Amino acid sequence: GENVEQHPSTLSVQEGDSAVIKCTYSDSASNYFPWYKQELGKRPQLIIDIRSNVGEKKDQRIAVTLNKTAKHFSLHITETQPEDSAVYFCAASNRDDKIIFGKGTRLHILP
Amino acid sequence: DAGVIQSPRHEVTEMGQEVTLRCKPISGHDYLFWYRQTMMRGLELLIYFNNNVPIDDSGMPEDRFSAKMPNASFSTLKIQPSEPRDSAVYFCASRLAVYNEQFFGPGTRLTVL
Repeated sequence: GENVEQHPSTLSVQEGDSAVIKCTYSDSASNYFPWYKQELGKRPQLIIDIRSNVGEKKDQRIAVTLNKTAKHFSLHITETQPEDSAVYFCAASNRDDKIIFGKGTRLHILP
Repeated sequence: DAGVIQSPRHEVTEMGQEVTLRCKPISGHDYLFWYRQTMMRGLELLIYFNNNVPIDDSGMPEDRFSAKMPNASFSTLKIQPSEPRDSAVYFCASRLAVYNEQFFGPGTRLTVL
C-alpha cells in the first residue's frame, strides 16, 4: 500500500521568511496530493492540492510542486505570518479513493 | 450546511467500557472516513464507506473496533472493550465522489482511564 514520508517533523522560521515542507510517496499510481493545515485543537482543513498531471500550483503565498519521477512533492509558504503556525499534513491518494497522510510538520513562526 | 457533525466532542471512560462515537456526514456526500489521531502515529485511516458500504477496514486496529453506516446520514465507531491505548482524537470526514476534498468533523477526544 501507499506510504507517505514527511520532513521535517518540526520547523521554526522567522516571520516573513519562507517555509518548505517535503514529502515522498511510494505508490507510483498515486495521482492526487492534498495538503491539510491543522491549527491547535481544530480539525484538519484542505489548503491546497495538486494532481499528477500538473507540476506546480500556486495560491497566493502557498505553492506546491510535484516531481512524479522522483515521487516527491513539497509545500512552499512565502512571507510567513503568525497565523501560519500550525501542523501541516501532506497526503497521497490513488484510484481507490483513500488518502494516506504523512506524520505532519509542526510549523512555528517566530516573531 | 452545518458541516460534518460528531458527538460526543469529549468522552472520558474507564478501561473495559464500551464507547460509541457518532458521525453525521455532510448531506449528499458519498464517502465517509474514520480517522484516529495521536502524537505518535499521526492521522491514521481506520475505515471508509462508499454509499454506506464499508470499502476498506484494513486500518481498524483489532476486533475491539467496529464501524457501521446504517444510512447515508449516520455512522458509528464502536470500541468494546476500551483500553487506555485507545485514547486519541477520532475524526470523521466526508466527501463527494466527484471531488477529492475531504471535510473533517470537529473530532471526538477520547480518554480511557
